[in-house]
Amino acid sequence: EAGVTQFPSHSVIEKGQTVTLRCDPISGHDNLYWYRRVMGKEIKFLLHFVKESKQDESGMPNNRFLAERTGGTYSTLKVQPAELEDSGVYFCASSQTLTRGYTGELFFGEGSRLTVL
Amino acid sequence: ELKVEQNPLFLSMQEGKNYTIYCNYSTTSDRLYWYRQDPGKSLESLFVLLSNGAVKQEGRLMASLDTKARLSTLHITAAVHDLSATYFCAVGTYKYIFGTGTRLKVLA
Repeated sequence: EAGVTQFPSHSVIEKGQTVTLRCDPISGHDNLYWYRRVMGKEIKFLLHFVKESKQDESGMPNNRFLAERTGGTYSTLKVQPAELEDSGVYFCASSQTLTRGYTGELFFGEGSRLTVL
Repeated sequence: ELKVEQNPLFLSMQEGKNYTIYCNYSTTSDRLYWYRQDPGKSLESLFVLLSNGAVKQEGRLMASLDTKARLSTLHITAAVHDLSATYFCAVGTYKYIFGTGTRLKVLA
């Protein structure tokens, strides 16, 4: 079974440019999360999808960030325009619905490292 | 707002030694998760602790949860170099809050 995949693994852009990150969750996982880790600091929650709906986007830093999950499958996270402080590693994770027998355990992708110059 | 603190942040230890990593959290939660991350890799699930008093063991690692104290521990027994990684705890249901991570380096 394929794990969570993210693309690109590394992106280097200039301030003001646009970047789109993509995440393909594990097939059948309704829950999809985006997290960000900046310069070795804590992993911060950005948002949570349940299927195609945004369940919680309280962690999105500002309106330069736009996440979508059309059709409830893969998700994209667009940063437009990018600023220096957006640099970091963006992790995507997915999980099954929290019901009896399912623990809420997250399965992570390897992350997309974004460098804004 | 839920806050999760880990300590220590950095841990350098000799092979064969024992040590404990602590994870404290600020509000009630019955679910706590431990993850391991190797450099440049994804986070790998280690333990899922779902109730007060839960104890899980895998190899040289043992995790426990005390929901009344809002504390989880990850105990390392007779460390080996392969355990060198960053360890994170995470708390919550759906919106998971992660600790700051503990970077462990086991010296041969």
